Amino acid sequence: DAGVIQSPRHEVTEMGQEVTLRCKPISGHNSLFWYRQTMMRGLELLIYFNNNVPIDDSGMPEDRFSAKMPNASFSTLKIQPSEPRDSAVYFCASSFLASGYDYGYTFGSGTRLTVV
Amino acid sequence: KQEVTQIPAALSVPEGENLVLNCSFTDSAIYNLQWFRQDPGKGLTSLLLIQSSQREQTSGRLNASLDKSSGRSTLYIAASQPGDSATYLCAAEDLNFGNEKLTFGTGTRLTIIP
Repeated sequence: DAGVIQSPRHEVTEMGQEVTLRCKPISGHNSLFWYRQTMMRGLELLIYFNNNVPIDDSGMPEDRFSAKMPNASFSTLKIQPSEPRDSAVYFCASSFLASGYDYGYTFGSGTRLTVV
Repeated sequence: KQEVTQIPAALSVPEGENLVLNCSFTDSAIYNLQWFRQDPGKGLTSLLLIQSSQREQTSGRLNASLDKSSGRSTLYIAASQPGDSATYLCAAEDLNFGNEKLTFGTGTRLTIIP
């Protein structure tokens, strides 16, 4: 398996533009997580999907952020409009979670977003 | 709300030494405790996962322990090597089936001096 695949690896955009980050989880995993990492705040969970359904989006900073998981093999995180304070590394992770067992998380390589 | 703390934030040790990284968490009702490694500019690599019913896990030169009652976990690295230089993060997974999520510490940046 190629692991969790994120695209693009780097994104530089101007303030106000729409940004879409993409994630392909590991085949067979039923849970997908979007995290944001900054020097100031460390790793923060943005949103968590289980079986393609959003379970917890309490970490989404504001309405400018939205995430979708239309099927088990694809998810997007969209920021519209983007702001300089959104600059961070965004990680996607997937896992197989079932009652009584956790197979652990696999993280993608991340998308480094710079908003100028 | 779970809070995870890692002290120290940075650590430098000579090659060959054994070392311990510390992690503490405020809510002992966890499903498991995980340790990750992050190299500069890279993603996270899972090192060890300790289920809440376990007290330790070992993988090669790494040994992680878990004491739920005191809210602590340690990662022991034996015979450190320059290749061990990285940031190590611990994460506690909430005991809440249907809403599992990891809360991460801010990490310990480890430098092994050749």
